[in-house]
Amino acid sequence: ETGVTQSPTHLIKTRGQQVTLRCSSQSGHNTVSWYQQALGQGPQFIFQYYREEENGRGNFPPRFSGLQFPNYSSELNVNALELDDSALYLCASSLWVIQDLNHQETQYFGPGTRLLVL
Amino acid sequence: AQTVTQSQPEMSVQEAETVTLSCTYDTSESDYYLFWYKQPPSRQMILVIRQEAYKQQNATENRFSVNFQKAAKSFSLKISDSQLGDAAMYFCAYRSVHGGSQGNLIFGKGTKLSVKP
Repeated sequence: ETGVTQSPTHLIKTRGQQVTLRCSSQSGHNTVSWYQQALGQGPQFIFQYYREEENGRGNFPPRFSGLQFPNYSSELNVNALELDDSALYLCASSLWVIQDLNHQETQYFGPGTRLLVL
Repeated sequence: AQTVTQSQPEMSVQEAETVTLSCTYDTSESDYYLFWYKQPPSRQMILVIRQEAYKQQNATENRFSVNFQKAAKSFSLKISDSQLGDAAMYFCAYRSVHGGSQGNLIFGKGTKLSVKP
């Protein structure tokens, strides 16, 4: 177990709806990254949060947004759901030590949330 | 932009035998990290092994070892004494040495490993 938890485990939504996914970081970690994994594919980077600020974004539209809280837990919000948003959503936490030559430690993943959009 | 390629969609190995999974990558950076992650049917992405590009010595974790060829941009994973619990999707991943917006992992498409009893 990595100590990274995600909720809910599964979710079914209809096209056009909005969804919020949650992630609790491993103790001592200050950075959370979110990934989308379509069926049969490797995970694709959505965005990363460090100290409550978005700090890097992949090729995803603005309807994908996020938050990071003071306790370093995080949310991923997706508005106006589309059928292609059906995927496994993974969060990963890590420790980023800026003072240490901008060094970022290994990312540890949660179990994921399976989202199905009908 | 960096890319990661896994050319073996599926592999099979007999229990107790050895199997090697291939991975190649493309980058213009000289320093970076490479990873192998395992994803069993439970979906949890589990770190198997990590290699720093500046280290010439190949990383080893128990039955798992890598063959890191920096000039060839190749990073293969060798699993020795394969066990039934090794059956999973295996993903090769690249990450820049820098944090922040460059700190995301870039994954290959994965290799599905089956272990036959």
